[in-house]
Amino acid sequence: GQQLNQSPQSMFIQEGEDVSMNCTSSSIFNTWLWYKQDPGEGPVLLIALYKAGELTSNGRLTAQFGITRKDSFLNISASIPSDVGIYFCAGQLAGNQFYFGTGTSLTVIP
Amino acid sequence: NAGVTQTPKFQVLKTGQSMTLQCAQDMNHEYMSWYRQDPGMGLRLIHYSVGAGITDQGEVPNGYNVSRSTTEDFPLRLLSAAPSQTSVYFCASSLGEGSEQFFGPGTRLTVL
Repeated sequence: GQQLNQSPQSMFIQEGEDVSMNCTSSSIFNTWLWYKQDPGEGPVLLIALYKAGELTSNGRLTAQFGITRKDSFLNISASIPSDVGIYFCAGQLAGNQFYFGTGTSLTVIP
Repeated sequence: NAGVTQTPKFQVLKTGQSMTLQCAQDMNHEYMSWYRQDPGMGLRLIHYSVGAGITDQGEVPNGYNVSRSTTEDFPLRLLSAAPSQTSVYFCASSLGEGSEQFFGPGTRLTVL
């Protein structure tokens, strides 16, 4: 199957710091997405990217769709305690086929 | 509007037993999918559907069956449960290609 390499695996940061995580793949995707998952719940979409090179913001979150269509990054600025959770990247092929990264666990220390 | 609902929330099975995980959505979404989530492996696509009567295999389909007789429901069947199927299962739906996927709350399955 498709493999998405997501890094880092975990992060421990102080409140107010910026965060950066990224995802790379050997495959070309049509869409890149970033999700956040809280304990005991399903993932929730944060940002969707549809074109190579696209840079999109959602509040303190910024994500980019890599030019090669094989990578994406997510930045969180000025982290706050409620940013705690697991962040997943996902790539979409044609139709309804999504492939997820292995996740980045974020801990924010107040 | 309940969104995506999954039942049961927790289930324990013995090896060889069969069961059906239920998934329903009330948003009139065409696309529905089943994923399993294992520690350190992210979510992996089991089966998906792009409309009633249409299903296809995802990345890890072995040991699972699906059907889509209505737009609202997309049940996942385990015919003969194995310990390797111990996982958290998520159902998701979306309006169509390129649309946001909405996830259910998950079913935590343990196979002894």
